[in-house]
Parts: sequence; structure tokens; C-alpha cells
Amino acid sequence: NAGVTQTPKFQVLKTGQSMTLQCAQDMNHNSMYWYRQDPGMGLRLIYYSASEGTTDKGEVPNGYNVSRLNKREFSLRLESAAPSQTSVYFCASSEPGQPYGYTFGSGTRLTVV
Amino acid sequence: SQQGEEDPQALSIQEGENATMNCSYKTSINNLQWYRQNSGRGLVHLILIRSNEREKHSGRLRVTLDTSKKSSSLLITASRAADTASYFCATKSAGGTSYGKLTFGQGTILTVHP
Repeated sequence: NAGVTQTPKFQVLKTGQSMTLQCAQDMNHNSMYWYRQDPGMGLRLIYYSASEGTTDKGEVPNGYNVSRLNKREFSLRLESAAPSQTSVYFCASSEPGQPYGYTFGSGTRLTVV
Repeated sequence: SQQGEEDPQALSIQEGENATMNCSYKTSINNLQWYRQNSGRGLVHLILIRSNEREKHSGRLRVTLDTSKKSSSLLITASRAADTASYFCATKSAGGTSYGKLTFGQGTILTVHP
């Protein structure tokens, strides 16, 4: 099925560990995004990539890095995980200028202990 | 900072009733979108309304936009238990370097009782 695929679905990290969240889309979208969702906070943008080869900071980029590996893939890396990064992470993609919204992945639930 | 503020935070109704959720925002927008999120799942796009539109329909959904008041409402008619979910508004800012980016509200939790 066409869409956005995120891996892993669940992860538990110890403080200070690193990990990479993977995201891939097969809709040939140019733009991709990483959001985090915390209770009562809605979704907050971490990083985005308007097109292949470009990345920009969003609202809450501290503690994260991203890589737009190619048009399909956009990964999010936590270099040294902290308990404050416990959250649900969503990847999304879109085609700017088209009259439809984002397509979201199913999320990664990350717990940092 | 959150662009959208949603009201109410939670809404509980009976099947067959209508549900209305409101969203207010702060800055000029290019478009406003509504999304649904079922528990433990990703967000699903419902409807998009552009800044030059005032009303839009999609099935049982009706969205209105009042740019003078910087507000929007989502009406779900004849609600069903399957409509139970969280609903988010999201805005795309007009112009500038906000190309493609959406800013989400905190959401309204809708519970529809059978």
C-alpha cells in the first residue's frame, strides 16, 4: 500500500544512547517532515526537508539531527537520548502546491529511561 | 509556539448527534486543514480549505473559515461511534519561508457513544 512507513514502532532507550528513526515514502513527494507528539502539546515540528538535498530546523530541533538520504527516505537521529525526548514521533510527507494535506506514518513510540 | 487553539478540548455526544469543533489561529494563513487521529495511530487528512474559501463540504464534514476572526470550525453531522478520535486543525502560513510547513493545534478529543 502506498504511504509513509516508519521503523521501529516502539523503542526503549537508556539515557545517553543513540538511535535513528527511519522513514520512507513511496508517493514521490518532495517534502518530508518529522514531528513529535506529547500529551496536551499537539504536534510540534522538529525538522523538515522541503526537497531532496535540503533540510531545515523546525520548532523543536535541539537534540536531533536529520538526513534526507534520497527523495524517498528521511531519517531522524538522536545522538544522546534524554528523558525529555520520550514522545511519539511521526514522519509525514507532502507535495507542495497540491490541494491535499500531509500523509503521516503510524508513528514511533520512544521511551527514554 | 502553537498556531492553532482548539475548542473544546474534549467533546462527548451520542450517536446521531452533530459535533462541532472550533479552531483559532494567530497569523495569516494560506490554508487550514483538519486531521483525524484514532488512538495509537497516525493522523489522517480530512479536508483542506484555502484562505479565499469560506465553506467546504466533504461527505458528513463541513468546514467553515472566517479569516477576519482567524477561526475555523469543523462540523461532523450524524456522528457515528467510528468518529471517536482526536481532531486537529493545522495551518499553513501565508508567504515567507514557511513553505509547506504546517502548524498544529492541540486537538479536540471526540467521543461518540453508541
